[in-house]
Formats: sequence, structure tokens, C-alpha cells
Amino acid sequence: NAGVIQTPRHKVTGKGQEATLWCEPISGHSAVFWYRQTIVQGLEFLTYFRNQAPIDDSGMPKERFSAQMPNQSHSTLKIQSTQPQDSAVYLCASSLGDRNTGQLYFGEGSKLTVL
Amino acid sequence: DAKTTQPDSMESTEGETVHLPCSHATISGNEYIYWYRQVPLQGPEYVTHGLQQNTTNSMAFLAIASDRKSSTLILPHVSLRDAAVYHCILRGSGGSNYKLTFGKGTLLTVTP
Repeated sequence: NAGVIQTPRHKVTGKGQEATLWCEPISGHSAVFWYRQTIVQGLEFLTYFRNQAPIDDSGMPKERFSAQMPNQSHSTLKIQSTQPQDSAVYLCASSLGDRNTGQLYFGEGSKLTVL
Repeated sequence: DAKTTQPDSMESTEGETVHLPCSHATISGNEYIYWYRQVPLQGPEYVTHGLQQNTTNSMAFLAIASDRKSSTLILPHVSLRDAAVYHCILRGSGGSNYKLTFGKGTLLTVTP
């Protein structure tokens, strides 16, 4: 079991550029989550997929952030026109499903730095 | 989700048994108590969870008060690898309760 795999581990972008982060959930897990972590705000929920369908994106900043899950083996988080305040560690997590949704398996995160 | 209260930090020495407290005075009947821990440069790691009965696994023992208004995560014989931020989180049962709301947690320091 390789765990949740996130790439890249580190990404540096210039202000206004686009950043795409990838997540490979644990095989067989039907729930996928994206969180964002900063020193100031801590861990914040961004979005949730169940069986590849978007269920809740209430934590996603509007307009520039989007997440997709085109197949059961990967999800992407795309940030357009990145801003310095987008600098954070973006964490992907997966779980078996609703009954076990509280037991999340997190990846090591993708650290985004916007200059 | 109901709120939890944890001490900001605790210190311990290798080999000791550590008791990490969590207060959740307004917990609802269907809310589970989850514990996660996080070390720098890694994502949070699930430790344990419980509803009413005490639980134990290879990582820790979770003691839940009879009125469920508090719980204690007990780490036996801590090592340097147990140094982390420990989060106590409440989560309701049911498919709509999928969010985990992380607070600041307790920073556990372990010295040799």
C-alpha cells in the first residue's frame, strides 16, 4: 500500500501563473478530499469527491480554484492566476467511504510557493 | 461540529506514558471523537477514534469519560517519533458529516 501520492512535492510559481497539483488516492478508496494548510489559518477543507463525483466545494476560493477527478485513480487541483496568498501546503486525503469517512489517509502534501 | 479544547503544548520524556486531554462539553450523541497527529513536512496521520467505549490500538489508548464531555489520548512509552501536534476532532455520523475540522491541537514535545 503506497499510500496517497501527491505530486509535485514542491512547486514555485510566479504571480499570475497557473499551478496544477496531482493526487493519487489509495486504490479502492471512494472518497477524496483536498485541504490547504498555512501557519495562519491551519488546516482548511477545500473540496470533497465521492465515487469521482464532486460533492462539496464550499471551501474552494471562487473563480481561480478548481478541482477535478476524471477517474478513480487521480484528482487534480488547479489554481489559475496564482497569488502570493495562495502559498500553502495542499493536502490530499482519501478514505474508504461514508461510514469510514472520518478515517482519512493523507498524502505528504504539495507545497506551493507563489513569488 | 461541536468544538474541542486542548492544551497548546505538553512536554514529556522518552519512555513516559503521556496523557493528552481533550474537552468537548457540547458533544452531540452521534458525534465520534477522532484523534490525528501531524509531524512537520507530513500530512496528518489517523491515530484512533471512539464513540462511547474506550478503545485501544497499536498506537494509543483512548479513554472516554462516561458523560462523553472529555477524552484522553494515552500514549504508552513515548519515543522521539511520537513528537507531533495531536488533534482531537469531533465528527458526526452519517454521510453528510464528512468534513474534519482541525483546530490548533496540542504540540507534544519528547526529550531524550
